[in-house]
Amino acid sequence: EVQLLESGGGLVQPGGSLRLSCVASGFTFSSYAMGWVRQPPGKGLEWVSGISGSGDSTFYADFVKGRFTISRDNSQNTLFLQMNSLRAEDTAVYYCAKGSSSGPGGFDCWGQGTLVTVSS
Amino acid sequence: QLVLTQSPSASASLGASVKLTCTLSSGHITYAIAWHQQQPQKGPRYLMSLNNDGSHTKGDGIPDRFSGSSSGAERFLTISSLQSEDEADYYCQTWGTNWVFGGGTKLTVL
Repeated sequence: EVQLLESGGGLVQPGGSLRLSCVASGFTFSSYAMGWVRQPPGKGLEWVSGISGSGDSTFYADFVKGRFTISRDNSQNTLFLQMNSLRAEDTAVYYCAKGSSSGPGGFDCWGQGTLVTVSS
Repeated sequence: QLVLTQSPSASASLGASVKLTCTLSSGHITYAIAWHQQQPQKGPRYLMSLNNDGSHTKGDGIPDRFSGSSSGAERFLTISSLQSEDEADYYCQTWGTNWVFGGGTKLTVL
């Protein structure tokens, strides 16, 4: 069974940093692209960042470019999102999602989410 | 620019059928999409991938009541024999050099 388990969310002050992790199991992690998707309170899903199966290619939404960094450790089946210079508008539930191929494609499995709150 | 457009809301009666629409932007009408369901207070759940020829691949455990079809730039999700647990937000998603989500449709089961 494919499982994704996020961690690392919490309360952080504006300008602060946070690192999210997503541990994957039940599939060959290195064969699939992975992504982060967020959902601000009361709003829809927003794609944040993606990474190819090998980790060689990374992709970012314009609103996080230069602030967030996606990475993966294929030896540990773990996906990361380093979030710096956090703003109030980054407050959201952050979901880890599994791609359906090694590059950009549909997401076919979701984690349960981790809440990030940016507030003073 | 790759954009997905969804109606904000839809409603249908218990036991009836409903067809939700996701429209691809001009220049991207051959793109495949994925449909996702988000029940209240829950995380998203993958429903299916849908190609421009209407062929689709459903996720594990997705009931036969859920089906997909395509016509031009439009991608459809049809839910038949509506049940109360189908009341949820439905999102379409596609990809090019990046990933894109539609704004979601809130389905109310009357």
